[in-house]
Amino acid sequence: SQQGEEDPQALSIQEGENATMNCSYKTSINNLQWYRQNSGRGLVHLILIRSNEREKHSGRLRVTLDTSKKSSSLLITASRAADTASYFCATDAFQGTGTASKLTFGTGTRLQVTL
Amino acid sequence: GAVVSQHPSWVICKSGTSVKIECRSLDFQATTMFWYRQFPKQSLMLMATSNEGSKATYEQGVEKDKFLINHASLTLSTLTVTSAHPEDSSFYICSAILRRGLSSQDTQYFGPGTRLTVL
Repeated sequence: SQQGEEDPQALSIQEGENATMNCSYKTSINNLQWYRQNSGRGLVHLILIRSNEREKHSGRLRVTLDTSKKSSSLLITASRAADTASYFCATDAFQGTGTASKLTFGTGTRLQVTL
Repeated sequence: GAVVSQHPSWVICKSGTSVKIECRSLDFQATTMFWYRQFPKQSLMLMATSNEGSKATYEQGVEKDKFLINHASLTLSTLTVTSAHPEDSSFYICSAILRRGLSSQDTQYFGPGTRLTVL
């Protein structure tokens, strides 16, 4: 399986704290994306980081990418109860010019933010 | 923004029946759509890639005769679970690509998912 691994599998923090999730993958990638999924719902795209980028920010989100270690991290700062969800990383390996990219999802981290 | 819808959002059926799930890109044309399957508390597993006007490409281990995919137009792909059994019960999610030229940096937009329960 080419599926990536995420850790921790589950994370419980209090509102206001930071949450860090890690993702490791196995193959060379074009880019890595993070998605969020509320229980029983579809996925919401959070952020994309290209293979030649090392860090990217979007609001309270900070993503890092280390291609030498084949790993990425997602940091959510000043967490809120509304951040409670599952978070997945997904890698996009180049399939060839003109060929649509396929995503391989990690195992996910279930984040619980309590008041 | 790009919106993808799925219909129905949930369905309950008897074992042996067939169920059709629709995936629509509402405000953009999608030459490629993907179908994923997700079991409770697990990740998404790609089932197949659906290309408009051509046969779908199935991932290893996915039975093409069991999961029929039709991408009849640039805004609609359908997944039909034939002769459904309880083990087919799952959350099925589609995504559509908003193509930006020939770049491989395509963005996938996901539908809200369809929960299938086979009794």
